Amino acid sequence: QSVLTQPPSASATPGQRVTISCSGSTSNIGSRTVNWYQRLPGTAPKLLIFTHNQRPSGVPDRFSGSKSGTSASLAISGLQSEDEADYFCAAWDDSLNALVFGGGTKLTVL
Amino acid sequence: EVQLVESGGGVVRPGGSLRLSCAASGFTFDGYGMSWVRQVPGKGLEWVSGIYSNGGSTSYADSVKGRFTISRDNAKNSLYLQMNSLRAEDTALYHCAKHTDYYYYYGMDVWGQGTTVTV
Repeated sequence: QSVLTQPPSASATPGQRVTISCSGSTSNIGSRTVNWYQRLPGTAPKLLIFTHNQRPSGVPDRFSGSKSGTSASLAISGLQSEDEADYFCAAWDDSLNALVFGGGTKLTVL
Repeated sequence: EVQLVESGGGVVRPGGSLRLSCAASGFTFDGYGMSWVRQVPGKGLEWVSGIYSNGGSTSYADSVKGRFTISRDNAKNSLYLQMNSLRAEDTALYHCAKHTDYYYYYGMDVWGQGTTVTV
């Protein structure tokens, strides 16, 4: 059972917008920055969003992050087939004194 | 090119030990926090341990606390993970990762390809 809760799966067709949620608590999302990672099959995770909604260089602006209270969301607009991957949220947890990940959401592009 | 290369994985019996290493290049190693993150194929990500840029603070997941020790040698641009009292549930692919800041609270923007540990 992960500290941060994500839906196990999501799907959408090319060109659509999809949102992936991440639910936490006051000790993590509620008080810390949220990061999002993309894991393509057979590769190491890649940072997509950090400090709520900053993108590392090279990450397209189709990817965006938001936070409200103890929940966060990753939005992907103009969905492309290469976006099919696992997506993970993460945040520092002040109660556990540890970095915690969501269980991951498998995104399928139909 | 910014790069992290892990080594030291292998097959070990329960109760045994391994020392993982991570060689960093292409960035100012002593300017960034570092972490170890593990994953089991087909499953999720688990943060294992983190260390400040100057080595002044470390933190561990409860699952490894008291058994694993993270350290770094900034003169050698290297990160380490000493793993003792290994258990079957420690079997995973271990990645080292660079944080975006001095500390281990923030995002990890560079990842190595990982080294496999089988217990």
